[in-house]
Amino acid sequence: DIQMTQSPSTLSASVGDRVTITCRASQSFNSWLAWYQQKPGRAPKLLIYKGSVLESGVPSRFSGSGSGTEFTLSISSLQPDDFATYYCQHYSSNSPHTFGQGTKLEIK
Amino acid sequence: EVQLVQSGAEVKKPGESLKISCKGSGYNFPYYWIGWVRQMPGKGLEWMGIIYPDDSDIRYSPSFQGQVTISADKSITTAYLQWSSLKPSDTAIYYCVRQEGGNCYRHWGQGTLVTVSS
Repeated sequence: DIQMTQSPSTLSASVGDRVTITCRASQSFNSWLAWYQQKPGRAPKLLIYKGSVLESGVPSRFSGSGSGTEFTLSISSLQPDDFATYYCQHYSSNSPHTFGQGTKLEIK
Repeated sequence: EVQLVQSGAEVKKPGESLKISCKGSGYNFPYYWIGWVRQMPGKGLEWMGIIYPDDSDIRYSPSFQGQVTISADKSITTAYLQWSSLKPSDTAIYYCVRQEGGNCYRHWGQGTLVTVSS
């Protein structure tokens, strides 16, 4: 089964900063990777799928990249609304759709 | 509009059984995989398993195989997650999710809080 290792677990940043979160897979797969944002008390929200496709309605400051075993989520200029927890998830067939451990993005 | 509406919060004692539900609407329910995701208090997301309602094909995470049962009734567009004997460690929020044609999870239920305590 594919394991997902997300880093860092916590990230402190300021409004306007650019940040990057990394997700590494134990095995290579074809960009079947999504990124979600979760705020306290809310269900997760899809941000990016297929590694780099921006979900409709998500601000363009969010971007995803990567392939094989390493994927990244970047936020180009942090806004107050972006402070939340972020998860990666692979969804390739024939393997459990494992989530990364999460990255909590905090205000510095 | 696609909606996944989950049953309400539950408080149970250890050893009791439980079945929670997720009703889908606004789409052709039998033909989309429905999954379940656990979130223990203050922790991350854990994928439990997924079911294809049309033929009840089910895939479980190894971590949850034998611990829970996933089912669906396509006639009433509802998916279920059940336990035969709850443990305090089952205390969590459980989300149902719809998989988009073998792709990501765009639609999420509102979550069901299950509390297991003596």
